[in-house]
Amino acid sequence: AQRVTQPEKLLSVFKGAPVELKCNYSYSGSPELFWYVQYSRQRLQLLLRHISRESIKGFTADLNKGETSFHLKKPFAQEEDSAMYYCALSRAYNTDKLIFGTGTRLQVFP
Amino acid sequence: EAEVAQSPRYKITEKSQAVAFWCDPISGHATLYWYRQILGQGPELLVQFQDESVVDDSQLPKDRFSAERLKGVDSTLKIQPAELGDSAMYLCASSRTDHNEKLFFGSGTQLSVL
Repeated sequence: AQRVTQPEKLLSVFKGAPVELKCNYSYSGSPELFWYVQYSRQRLQLLLRHISRESIKGFTADLNKGETSFHLKKPFAQEEDSAMYYCALSRAYNTDKLIFGTGTRLQVFP
Repeated sequence: EAEVAQSPRYKITEKSQAVAFWCDPISGHATLYWYRQILGQGPELLVQFQDESVVDDSQLPKDRFSAERLKGVDSTLKIQPAELGDSAMYLCASSRTDHNEKLFFGSGTQLSVL
């Protein structure tokens, strides 16, 4: 069965510090990986997906199939990055549901 | 920008009562999802519709939960009877297609069962 693990419930950094939110997955096939974000009092929304290979709000994530990881990174954290971040997986080329991790709360202090 | 609408925003009920949640997806979105999010956990899919047809309801507790999308537009999720363990946030999401397209989420319905 597919599973997504986010080992950190809370990550606290100071503004300007680098950020890495960890995500590991288990799936023997070819996955599609996503990062969703929920800012305070806002809806859950897509931040980025690995097939797009794009940087959104300074965040990037690289799919490492060897380590089965999809860590989210940003070189310089901003206070407005404070939010709940969820890693999610679905099976590629399939009409499949998204499987979410338990989420990591990022706190960026001034 | 169009949004997924959900109502009510909050619902408090006693156990053994019936509750219903409503979702109106973004116009033109063929796929509709109901997710349940228990405090401290990530969202878990309950049911997925493609137009009016159920694509996946493998995690839906069918003895007490039901979902419908009769005209392939808005949808209703019902719980009867509600149990204490049903207390959670119920999220609706929609997407243009069912092939891992971007999901747009509603604000959710926070259910408390007393």
